[in-house]
Amino acid sequence: DVKVTQSSRYLVKRTGEKVFLECVQDMDHENMFWYRQDPGLGLRLIYFSYDVKMKEKGDIPEGYSVSREKKERFSLILESASTNQTSMYLCASSTLGFGTGGFGRDGYTFGSGTRLTVV
Amino acid sequence: GNSVTQMEGPVTLSEEAFLTINCTYTATGYPSLFWYVQYPGEGLQLLLKATKADDKGSNKGFEATYRKETTSFHLEKGSVQVSDSAVYFCALSDLNQAGTALIFGKGTTLSVSS
Repeated sequence: DVKVTQSSRYLVKRTGEKVFLECVQDMDHENMFWYRQDPGLGLRLIYFSYDVKMKEKGDIPEGYSVSREKKERFSLILESASTNQTSMYLCASSTLGFGTGGFGRDGYTFGSGTRLTVV
Repeated sequence: GNSVTQMEGPVTLSEEAFLTINCTYTATGYPSLFWYVQYPGEGLQLLLKATKADDKGSNKGFEATYRKETTSFHLEKGSVQVSDSAVYFCALSDLNQAGTALIFGKGTTLSVSS
């Protein structure tokens, strides 16, 4: 019954490494999102995508990029990992496309998260 | 801009106690409102939602009513269980602002003891 799958639950990387976090959804959702979750700060939006090859910056895009080559897959890339990127990363998807006026109406389906530690 | 404020935790209750977690919002337009729950070690799950004023969302014994006059969406449960221990997030989406994502509060940790 898994609908949004994140490739790793736990990941340890070294400072300066290029890191790929993968997310796949099987619900044919148009929209996909990457958040990071930190104690006391809640969920902060990094990037989102409302269509293949489309992307929009969220609140904290610095140090990150994304790729969406196929509808079901949305990858988060840390170009050069740093210790302040140690966090829980959550992927989500939702129905209804950009510009329909219903963006986010039905809420999101989340993956289980990837806890990334950068040492 | 749009924002969500929810009460800070942790909230510590005994089993069968009454629960209220406060959530207020600021938004232009007419947002939909949501409560999500995150159990330990897991991602977020949609708990309930309301899409217009005076709507009541409910699920698993939890309820929340969309109060436009007080811009609130407080989460309540009449009798909590140990299994309700989790982090609860209030969130909104502004349907009139395409291209935006859900905006979350900072989360409230609930701990229920037997």
